[in-house]
Amino acid sequence: DIQMTQSPSSLSASVGDRVTITCRASQSISSYLNWYQQKPGKAPKLLIYGASSLQSGVPSRFSGSGSRTDFTLTISSLRPEDFATYYCQQSYSVPRITFGQGTRLEIK
Amino acid sequence: QLQLQESGPGLVKPSETLSLTCTVSGGSISISSYYWAWIRQPPGKGLESVGNIYYTGSTSYNPSLRSRVTISVDTSKNQFSLKLTSVTAADTAVYYCARLVRAMGGKGLDYWGQGTLVTVSS
Repeated sequence: DIQMTQSPSSLSASVGDRVTITCRASQSISSYLNWYQQKPGKAPKLLIYGASSLQSGVPSRFSGSGSRTDFTLTISSLRPEDFATYYCQQSYSVPRITFGQGTRLEIK
Repeated sequence: QLQLQESGPGLVKPSETLSLTCTVSGGSISISSYYWAWIRQPPGKGLESVGNIYYTGSTSYNPSLRSRVTISVDTSKNQFSLKLTSVTAADTAVYYCARLVRAMGGKGLDYWGQGTLVTVSS
């Protein structure tokens, strides 16, 4: 299976900061990378698909980039509701999907 | 609006079988564009794919769980189900059902159930 590795595992930041989370695939996955946001006690929510396409209803402060093995999720100006855990997931080998281990974004 | 809802026992004894059902409403499970997936999350840990099924019954399982997992579908009831045998405490997790876009490079998991906590304990 394709392994997905996120960094950092956790991150402290302040409201208004620009934040970047990285996801690396163990092999090339083209641009077939999705990002999810999960808040405590809730199901994950799809934020970005195809590495850079914003899911409907997701604020434009979220953006994604990358291709092949290296990808990033950027939040341009953190808002209080953005503090959550973020996961990447590859869709290259659907139906054999895999997730990154998650990045916990905490308030500094 | 599509909705998914997990149901099943919240407590299972060690060595027994965990059984969950996901009921899909607001849309048909028999659509060619999607797989129907089970994802689990142990307390305080990350997301793990358990497996998924196409409405025809074709399945794909996580290799680490393959020997213990069976996913089935009942299109007449618009439901799909998970059975995990010989459970241990390591199988304690929130179990989510979700819709997986059936395309290489597709949107991934675009609809999720709320999740159900299953605890393995005697």
